[in-house]
Amino acid sequence: AQTVTQSQPEMSVQEAETVTLSCTYDTSESNYYLFWYKQPPSRQMILVIRQEAYKQQNATENRFSVNFQKAAKSFSLKISDSQLGDTAMYFCAFIDSGNTPLVFGKGTRLSVIA
Amino acid sequence: SAVISQKPSRDICQRGTSLTIQCQVDSQVTMMFWYRQQPGQSLTLIATANQGSEATYESGFVIDKFPISRPNLTFSTLTVSNMSPEDSSIYLCSVGPRTGESTDTQYFGPGTRLTVL
Repeated sequence: AQTVTQSQPEMSVQEAETVTLSCTYDTSESNYYLFWYKQPPSRQMILVIRQEAYKQQNATENRFSVNFQKAAKSFSLKISDSQLGDTAMYFCAFIDSGNTPLVFGKGTRLSVIA
Repeated sequence: SAVISQKPSRDICQRGTSLTIQCQVDSQVTMMFWYRQQPGQSLTLIATANQGSEATYESGFVIDKFPISRPNLTFSTLTVSNMSPEDSSIYLCSVGPRTGESTDTQYFGPGTRLTVL
Protein backbone atom coordinates (compact mmCIF):
# COMPACT_ATOMS: atom_id res chain seq x y z
CA ALA A 1 0.00 0.00 0.00
CA GLN A 2 1.10 3.51 -0.71
CA THR A 3 2.03 5.78 2.18
CA VAL A 4 2.78 9.50 2.38
CA THR A 5 4.85 11.01 5.20
CA GLN A 6 5.08 14.64 6.18
CA SER A 7 7.59 14.93 9.00
CA GLN A 8 7.01 18.61 9.86
CA PRO A 9 3.75 19.06 11.82
CA GLU A 10 4.24 22.84 12.04
CA MET A 11 6.39 25.46 10.38
CA SER A 12 6.58 29.22 10.37
CA VAL A 13 8.15 31.70 7.99
CA GLN A 14 8.52 35.44 7.84
CA GLU A 15 6.57 37.28 5.20
CA ALA A 16 8.53 37.56 1.91
CA GLU A 17 10.89 34.74 2.90
CA THR A 18 11.13 31.26 1.37
CA VAL A 19 10.04 28.04 3.05
CA THR A 20 10.26 24.39 2.06
CA LEU A 21 7.79 21.73 3.19
CA SER A 22 8.94 18.10 3.09
CA CYS A 23 7.11 15.02 1.85
CA THR A 24 8.25 11.46 1.26
CA TYR A 25 6.19 8.61 -0.09
CA ASP A 26 6.38 4.91 -0.64
CA THR A 27 5.02 3.01 -3.63
CA SER A 28 5.85 0.13 -5.89
CA GLU A 29 4.18 1.82 -8.86
CA SER A 30 6.33 3.23 -11.64
CA ASN A 31 3.83 5.79 -12.84
CA TYR A 32 1.86 7.96 -10.46
CA TYR A 33 0.99 11.53 -9.58
CA LEU A 34 1.82 13.73 -6.62
CA PHE A 35 0.01 16.78 -5.34
CA TRP A 36 0.19 19.51 -2.78
CA TYR A 37 -3.16 20.75 -1.48
CA LYS A 38 -3.67 23.81 0.71
CA GLN A 39 -6.43 23.99 3.32
CA PRO A 40 -6.94 27.46 4.82
CA PRO A 41 -9.22 28.01 7.83
CA SER A 42 -12.17 28.09 5.44
CA ARG A 43 -11.52 24.29 5.15
CA GLN A 44 -11.69 24.32 1.34
CA MET A 45 -9.08 21.96 -0.16
CA ILE A 46 -7.26 23.91 -2.86
CA LEU A 47 -4.91 22.30 -5.36
CA VAL A 48 -1.54 24.07 -5.24
CA ILE A 49 0.60 22.05 -7.62
CA ARG A 50 0.82 18.64 -9.26
CA GLN A 51 3.67 16.50 -10.56
CA GLU A 52 3.56 13.53 -12.90
CA ALA A 53 6.12 10.90 -11.94
CA TYR A 54 7.20 10.23 -15.52
CA LYS A 55 8.20 13.87 -15.98
CA GLN A 56 11.69 14.71 -14.76
CA GLN A 57 11.11 18.44 -14.85
CA ASN A 58 9.95 19.90 -11.55
CA ALA A 59 6.53 21.53 -11.62
CA THR A 60 6.20 25.27 -11.00
CA GLU A 61 3.13 27.42 -10.37
CA ASN A 62 3.99 31.08 -9.78
CA ARG A 63 5.55 31.27 -6.29
CA PHE A 64 5.16 27.53 -5.72
CA SER A 65 7.62 24.94 -6.99
CA VAL A 66 8.48 21.36 -6.16
CA ASN A 67 11.68 19.38 -5.85
CA PHE A 68 10.76 15.92 -7.10
CA GLN A 69 13.36 13.23 -6.47
CA LYS A 70 11.88 10.00 -7.82
CA ALA A 71 14.69 7.69 -6.73
CA ALA A 72 14.55 9.07 -3.21
CA LYS A 73 10.72 9.15 -3.26
CA SER A 74 10.79 12.74 -2.12
CA PHE A 75 8.44 15.56 -3.12
CA SER A 76 9.06 18.84 -1.33
CA LEU A 77 7.18 22.10 -1.83
CA LYS A 78 8.98 25.44 -1.94
CA ILE A 79 7.02 28.63 -1.37
CA SER A 80 8.86 31.78 -2.40
CA ASP A 81 8.03 35.32 -1.31
CA SER A 82 5.67 33.99 1.36
CA GLN A 83 2.46 35.94 1.86
CA LEU A 84 0.08 36.12 4.82
CA GLY A 85 -2.53 34.38 2.68
CA ASP A 86 -0.27 31.32 2.46
CA THR A 87 -1.07 30.55 6.11
CA ALA A 88 -2.82 27.16 5.96
CA MET A 89 -2.50 23.43 6.37
CA TYR A 90 -0.59 21.87 3.50
CA PHE A 91 -1.20 18.25 2.54
CA CYS A 92 0.98 16.15 0.30
CA ALA A 93 -1.00 13.52 -1.62
CA PHE A 94 -0.38 10.56 -3.93
CA ILE A 95 -2.47 8.87 -6.56
CA ASP A 96 -1.76 6.18 -9.13
CA SER A 97 -4.69 7.08 -11.39
CA GLY A 98 -7.46 9.65 -11.55
CA ASN A 99 -10.07 7.08 -10.66
CA THR A 100 -8.52 5.94 -7.40
CA PRO A 101 -8.64 7.75 -4.06
CA LEU A 102 -5.92 10.13 -2.96
CA VAL A 103 -3.55 9.03 -0.20
CA PHE A 104 -2.72 11.93 2.10
CA GLY A 105 0.07 12.78 4.49
CA LYS A 106 -0.76 14.09 7.95
CA GLY A 107 -0.22 17.67 6.91
CA THR A 108 2.04 20.59 7.81
CA ARG A 109 0.58 23.66 9.45
CA LEU A 110 2.31 26.70 7.96
CA SER A 111 2.14 30.11 9.60
CA VAL A 112 3.35 33.18 7.75
CA ILE A 113 4.38 35.91 10.17
CA ALA A 114 4.25 39.60 9.34
CA SER B 1 -11.77 22.14 -13.17
CA ALA B 2 -15.11 20.82 -11.99
CA VAL B 3 -17.30 23.04 -9.81
CA ILE B 4 -18.47 21.13 -6.76
CA SER B 5 -21.04 22.16 -4.18
CA GLN B 6 -21.95 20.57 -0.88
CA LYS B 7 -25.02 21.01 1.28
CA PRO B 8 -25.28 21.78 4.10
CA SER B 9 -22.10 23.75 4.68
CA ARG B 10 -22.45 23.18 8.40
CA ASP B 11 -24.89 21.71 10.87
CA ILE B 12 -25.29 21.08 14.57
CA CYS B 13 -27.14 17.87 15.32
CA GLN B 14 -28.37 15.96 18.32
CA ARG B 15 -26.99 12.59 19.32
CA GLY B 16 -28.91 9.69 17.78
CA THR B 17 -30.15 11.56 14.72
CA SER B 18 -29.01 11.29 11.09
CA LEU B 19 -27.77 13.86 8.59
CA THR B 20 -27.58 13.55 4.82
CA ILE B 21 -24.88 15.52 3.01
CA GLN B 22 -25.27 16.25 -0.67
CA CYS B 23 -22.49 16.65 -3.24
CA GLN B 24 -23.30 18.12 -6.65
CA VAL B 25 -20.90 18.48 -9.59
CA ASP B 26 -21.38 20.69 -12.63
CA SER B 27 -20.29 17.96 -15.05
CA GLN B 28 -20.44 14.19 -15.31
CA VAL B 29 -17.64 12.46 -13.44
CA THR B 30 -16.72 8.82 -13.23
CA MET B 31 -15.77 8.60 -9.57
CA MET B 32 -16.77 10.44 -6.42
CA PHE B 33 -15.11 10.01 -3.06
CA TRP B 34 -16.17 10.83 0.50
CA TYR B 35 -13.60 11.78 3.15
CA ARG B 36 -13.81 12.53 6.84
CA GLN B 37 -11.48 15.01 8.52
CA GLN B 38 -11.56 14.89 12.29
CA PRO B 39 -10.42 18.00 14.18
CA GLY B 40 -6.75 18.70 13.61
CA GLN B 41 -6.30 15.58 11.50
CA SER B 42 -5.69 14.66 7.89
CA LEU B 43 -8.32 13.33 5.52
CA THR B 44 -9.50 9.73 5.84
CA LEU B 45 -11.32 8.04 2.99
CA ILE B 46 -14.75 6.77 3.94
CA ALA B 47 -15.83 5.27 0.63
CA THR B 48 -15.76 5.47 -3.14
CA ALA B 49 -19.14 6.17 -4.70
CA ASN B 50 -19.70 4.32 -7.96
CA GLN B 51 -22.58 5.18 -10.25
CA GLY B 52 -24.81 2.18 -10.78
CA SER B 53 -23.30 0.02 -8.08
CA GLU B 54 -22.83 -0.05 -4.33
CA ALA B 55 -20.21 2.15 -2.74
CA THR B 56 -16.87 0.65 -1.80
CA TYR B 57 -16.10 1.25 1.89
CA GLU B 58 -12.71 1.50 3.56
CA SER B 59 -11.77 -0.50 6.62
CA GLY B 60 -13.49 0.89 9.69
CA PHE B 61 -16.46 2.35 7.81
CA VAL B 62 -19.69 0.41 7.28
CA ILE B 63 -22.72 0.94 5.11
CA ASP B 64 -25.17 0.92 8.03
CA LYS B 65 -23.40 3.90 9.59
CA PHE B 66 -22.49 5.78 6.39
CA PRO B 67 -24.95 4.87 3.63
CA ILE B 68 -24.06 6.42 0.29
CA SER B 69 -26.12 6.97 -2.82
CA ARG B 70 -24.89 7.74 -6.35
CA PRO B 71 -28.01 8.00 -8.51
CA ASN B 72 -26.26 9.63 -11.49
CA LEU B 73 -22.90 10.92 -12.72
CA THR B 74 -23.24 14.38 -11.14
CA PHE B 75 -24.64 13.72 -7.67
CA SER B 76 -23.96 11.73 -4.51
CA THR B 77 -25.14 11.74 -0.91
CA LEU B 78 -23.51 10.59 2.30
CA THR B 79 -25.66 9.94 5.37
CA VAL B 80 -24.17 9.91 8.84
CA SER B 81 -26.53 7.71 10.84
CA ASN B 82 -27.25 7.44 14.55
CA MET B 83 -24.75 10.18 15.26
CA SER B 84 -22.56 10.48 18.33
CA PRO B 85 -20.17 13.28 19.33
CA GLU B 86 -17.31 11.22 17.82
CA ASP B 87 -18.84 11.89 14.39
CA SER B 88 -18.11 15.60 14.73
CA SER B 89 -15.87 16.24 11.74
CA ILE B 90 -15.59 17.91 8.38
CA TYR B 91 -16.97 15.74 5.61
CA LEU B 92 -15.62 16.38 2.12
CA CYS B 93 -16.50 15.00 -1.26
CA SER B 94 -14.03 14.91 -4.11
CA VAL B 95 -14.44 14.00 -7.75
CA GLY B 96 -12.28 12.22 -10.25
CA PRO B 97 -12.00 12.99 -13.96
CA ARG B 98 -14.94 14.06 -16.10
CA THR B 99 -16.26 11.17 -18.15
CA GLY B 100 -14.10 10.79 -21.23
CA GLU B 101 -11.15 12.67 -19.71
CA SER B 102 -7.88 11.05 -18.76
CA THR B 103 -6.69 13.62 -16.25
CA ASP B 104 -5.40 12.55 -12.86
CA THR B 105 -6.36 15.58 -10.78
CA GLN B 106 -9.13 15.42 -8.19
CA TYR B 107 -11.01 18.41 -6.87
CA PHE B 108 -12.85 18.92 -3.63
CA GLY B 109 -16.14 20.34 -2.53
CA PRO B 110 -16.16 23.05 0.16
CA GLY B 111 -16.87 20.56 2.94
CA THR B 112 -19.59 20.13 5.55
CA ARG B 113 -18.73 20.91 9.16
CA LEU B 114 -20.76 18.64 11.42
CA THR B 115 -21.04 19.09 15.17
CA VAL B 116 -22.88 16.48 17.21
CA LEU B 117 -24.03 17.41 20.71
